Amino acid sequence: GPKVLQIPSHQIIDMGQMVTLNCDPVSNHLYFYWYKQILGQQMEFLVNFYNGKVMEKSKLFKDQFSVERPDGSYFTLKIQPTALEDSAVYFCASLPGPTNERLFFGHGTKLSVL
Amino acid sequence: GEKVEQHESTLSVREGDSAVINCTYTDTASSYFPWYKQEAGKSLHFVIDIRSNVDRKQSQRLTVLLDKKAKRFSLHITATQPEDSAIYFCAASAGYNKLTFGKGTVLLVSP
Repeated sequence: GPKVLQIPSHQIIDMGQMVTLNCDPVSNHLYFYWYKQILGQQMEFLVNFYNGKVMEKSKLFKDQFSVERPDGSYFTLKIQPTALEDSAVYFCASLPGPTNERLFFGHGTKLSVL
Repeated sequence: GEKVEQHESTLSVREGDSAVINCTYTDTASSYFPWYKQEAGKSLHFVIDIRSNVDRKQSQRLTVLLDKKAKRFSLHITATQPEDSAIYFCAASAGYNKLTFGKGTVLLVSP
């Protein structure tokens, strides 16, 4: 079936560095999401994105976070600078349109901030 | 904001038995309740959903029940098979798929 690809699967960086998490959504999908899951806790909504704009973001989506999808390429989550508490698994998800609510998820990128 | 509590953290059943996973939510505005499954090494995969205009939905061996008064919904799996073993997540949403997830239930089906 349709797949959402996330690259890389694991990223290790030093605190204060910048990191970009990449998501290749299902090709005809229009709505994109990032979720964050700290080890042992619930997966939490970060942000959703449509037509080049952030539609909604949670309080977890700090000022150091940004998302974009330049020219229909990867949907990216950038964190600059990173903090220790950003260590988590980040899941990307996508949807074809507003009337379909079944999200397609990627495998997640495990981010370790040292 | 919405809070979703998933009551069973682990559930072990024998093959052929039924399994029930229960969730509660807090926001009365939530109207969409999907379930996702995550098998080892794989991404979350949609399983079944229910909207607030019905209180029951069935798809083959899966049934979802919704009790809006009690703000409770549950996933029932009948005739379980070893391949049903996975982590199951319930979620609730009031719109735009800003899903609030439960913590997940590890379901183990032993032969």
